[in-house]
Amino acid sequence: EIVMTQSPATLSVSPGERATLSCRASQSVSSNLAWYQQKPGQAPRLLIYGASTRATGIPARFSGSGSGTEFTLTISSLQSEDFAVYYCQQYNNWPAFGGGTKVEIK
Amino acid sequence: QVQLVQSGAEVKKPGASVKVSCKVSGYTLTELSMHWVRQAPGKGLEWMGGFDPEDGETIYAQKFQGRVTMTEDTSTDTAYMELSSLRSEDTAVYYCATKGWYFDLWGRGTLVTVSS
Repeated sequence: EIVMTQSPATLSVSPGERATLSCRASQSVSSNLAWYQQKPGQAPRLLIYGASTRATGIPARFSGSGSGTEFTLTISSLQSEDFAVYYCQQYNNWPAFGGGTKVEIK
Repeated sequence: QVQLVQSGAEVKKPGASVKVSCKVSGYTLTELSMHWVRQAPGKGLEWMGGFDPEDGETIYAQKFQGRVTMTEDTSTDTAYMELSSLRSEDTAVYYCATKGWYFDLWGRGTLVTVSS
């Protein structure tokens, strides 16, 4: 079983600043890594798949990088609508999600 | 427009079973590999299982094996997830999700509350 660990658990960022979220896999998942955004009361929304490919309609301020066991989601300039919880998910093996990072307003 | 429409909220007693439905519109169910993900209150996302198109079989997360059954009715383009022997820890929002092994399309979720 592949375990996904996200850090930090909470990230306090001011609007307009850059946010960097990390995701680590307990073993290599190649580039089979996705990122999701979830707002309260809503289903998750796919942001990134293949570690670095933006899903349809996702703004360019969201970017993903990494391969193997270390991955990063970067939001280049936080907008008000970006404050949410973010999850990574590997799909190299049976799907598994990380515990999430909450991005809150500083 | 592709949509996944889930059934309404359920309240069940411990030991009972629940069956949640997910109707596909804008696609046929045979074009999709449906998965189920749950989220306990205030907690993260947890994959429960889904269809593996390479094997043609439904696979279940080890945690739920023996207690969960995922089925499909292709005549109505509806997927089902049945969870048995419910306990309080099963209180959660249950989502159907699809478009491959990463999930580009989600239902709005079904709240299942387990309480005596």
